[in-house]
Amino acid sequence: NAGVTQTPKFQVLKTGQSMTLQCAQDMNHNSMYWYRQDPGMGLRLIYYSASEGTTDKGEVPNGYNVSRLNKREFSLRLESAAPSQTSVYFCASRETGVWGLEQYFGPGTRLTVT
Amino acid sequence: AQSVTQPDIHITVSEGASLELRCNYSYGATPYLFWYVQSPGQGLQLLLKYFSGDTLVQGIKGFEAEFKRSQSSFNLRKPSVHWSDAAEYFCAVGAMGANNLFFGTGTRLTVIP
Repeated sequence: NAGVTQTPKFQVLKTGQSMTLQCAQDMNHNSMYWYRQDPGMGLRLIYYSASEGTTDKGEVPNGYNVSRLNKREFSLRLESAAPSQTSVYFCASRETGVWGLEQYFGPGTRLTVT
Repeated sequence: AQSVTQPDIHITVSEGASLELRCNYSYGATPYLFWYVQSPGQGLQLLLKYFSGDTLVQGIKGFEAEFKRSQSSFNLRKPSVHWSDAAEYFCAVGAMGANNLFFGTGTRLTVIP
């Protein structure tokens, strides 16, 4: 039981390049989330998927797209990377149908855009 | 509007000393409250959570937190800090039926020998 896994762990991009961050969970959770973490700003929600086949914008969705490929996988795509997207990205998942349960986090992807 | 405030950006304590990290929240519904810990270069790990019932909750690693509705607070405490507790701590709030959690900006804990 690996929990939530993310690939890659580190990535350096040049401005304008694209990439996809991958996330998978093996806990059979319905909901999945993408956050970015910046110094002094805590975690901010980019997108979430309440269930397979649905996605919704969070607090900071601009410049990102997501795909809920199946129940296990939720990817985050940067179509044209900008230096402002330099951040640490976390994927999380949680069960639904029972209110208030905690989110489980992956180890993060540290992205630098030059 | 929902918000979580962690007023202390950085706290330094001596090993063996007691610790209290502050968290205040603003939420329109009955809140569910969480404390997470993040060690350097790692993801977030749940320390403890409050949903209902006893307002003093126990968590992992010897941590506890007390929910005080009248003060909109959920402060984290530990009676004796260990060097391995050095990390960043995040308070978060959610609610029944809500999809999202709202996180505070974090408190970084340094432990000195």
